[in-house]
Amino acid sequence: DTGVSQDPRHKITKRGQNVTFRCDPISEHNRLYWYRQTLGQGPEFLTYFQNEAQLEKSRLLSDRFSAERPKGSFSTLEIQRTEQGDSAMYLCASSLTQQDNYGYTFGSGTRLTVV
Amino acid sequence: EDQVTQSPEALRLQEGESSSLNCSYTVSGLRGLFWYRQDPGKGPEFLFTLYSAGEEKEKERLKATLTKKESFLHITAPKPEDSATYLCAVGANSGYALNFGKGTSLLVTP
Repeated sequence: DTGVSQDPRHKITKRGQNVTFRCDPISEHNRLYWYRQTLGQGPEFLTYFQNEAQLEKSRLLSDRFSAERPKGSFSTLEIQRTEQGDSAMYLCASSLTQQDNYGYTFGSGTRLTVV
Repeated sequence: EDQVTQSPEALRLQEGESSSLNCSYTVSGLRGLFWYRQDPGKGPEFLFTLYSAGEEKEKERLKATLTKKESFLHITAPKPEDSATYLCAVGANSGYALNFGKGTSLLVTP
């Protein structure tokens, strides 16, 4: 296992289209997080899963956004009816419960451009 | 509301010129303060977690310190490969999210 994998790395879509991103965390990590990062800003929290349960969602996660983690393994983040303001890097991270000493392991992200 | 402010926004150093990056924070119940390094086009890479005032951690040329209001990342005799954006984040006891600052963009020239 070489780390957190995200697919695709880049996505260009037209405004109004739906997009879905996939994250494969480190296999033994039971915690999974989605963050969004725009140019010149730090990552902003979107949502958190512990195993398959979605335990926390940010106010940033409007009703156009939905995330799932079936069976506590990989996760998907879907954005419906994309808007230009959705253009950003979407980062996935994973960690072990109670292992803050090791922080999160982030993937390389999916860069979304809405045109 | 939790807040994290990093300064300076950008820093240019010559190789070997030591300096410090600042992270000021406010949080209700600190779970931990985290430092990450981010290279262009990549996700953040974990460096340190600090839990309580007075704590210090070191890794190669980097040393992180923590007070009740601030954290410093000291870079001793930096090399060009230390060039990156350094991000500070706080976690609160009340939740699972990390609240990140905007980062400090560090450039080390030969």
